[in-house]
Amino acid sequence: NAGVTQTPKFRILKIGQSMTLQCAQDMNHNYMYWYRQDPGMGLKLIYYSVGAGITDKGEVPNGYNVSRSTTEDFPLRLELAAPSQTSVYFCASSLDSPSYNEQFFGPGTRLTVL
Amino acid sequence: AQSVTQLDSQVPVFEEAPVELRCNYSSSVSVYLFWYVQYPNQGLQLLLKYLSGSTLVKGINGFEAEFNKSQTSFHLRKPSVHISDTAEYFCAVSDRGGNTGKLIFGQGTTLQVKP
Repeated sequence: NAGVTQTPKFRILKIGQSMTLQCAQDMNHNYMYWYRQDPGMGLKLIYYSVGAGITDKGEVPNGYNVSRSTTEDFPLRLELAAPSQTSVYFCASSLDSPSYNEQFFGPGTRLTVL
Repeated sequence: AQSVTQLDSQVPVFEEAPVELRCNYSSSVSVYLFWYVQYPNQGLQLLLKYLSGSTLVKGINGFEAEFNKSQTSFHLRKPSVHISDTAEYFCAVSDRGGNTGKLIFGQGTTLQVKP
């Protein structure tokens, strides 16, 4: 199993550009999450999904959109990139409820907006 | 709502010395408690978790943590660290009654093990 994979690993965007961060998992997990990690701030939840076709906002959703058309994929869309979106983005997945299940993380995407 | 505070942003320690990384949480509901580790340029992986029962929890790589309900703490310990333990460590909580698995993370503690 590859686990959770993310592409690209690195990206530099100009202000106002758009891009999609890709995330895929091959563990048949229904639950998937997007986090951003800023220095000294820990990880903040952007969006999450409890199954195909079901998504919801986390703590910091502004400036992002998600979709979940399949169990395996959970892409994160950035529209009109801003310098405040410079961060490391992590995708994670877990088995269904209850909430004590381990989350499995991808290797991350380092995004810089200039 | 929940919040997690990791009391030290950086902890330098010499190899083979003991270490404690401190974590306090605040919550209006019952929570599960986790410690995750992030090695350089990698994603996070689970070290250990507290669900119920014995308040002393053992995890991978010789780490353990103790849940203290009265002090709302979940400190991580290792009796003898190795250079390979150099990493960032995150304490996290999730709502026991929730069905989304959402985690609330602390700010992280960087453990620097020196030879």
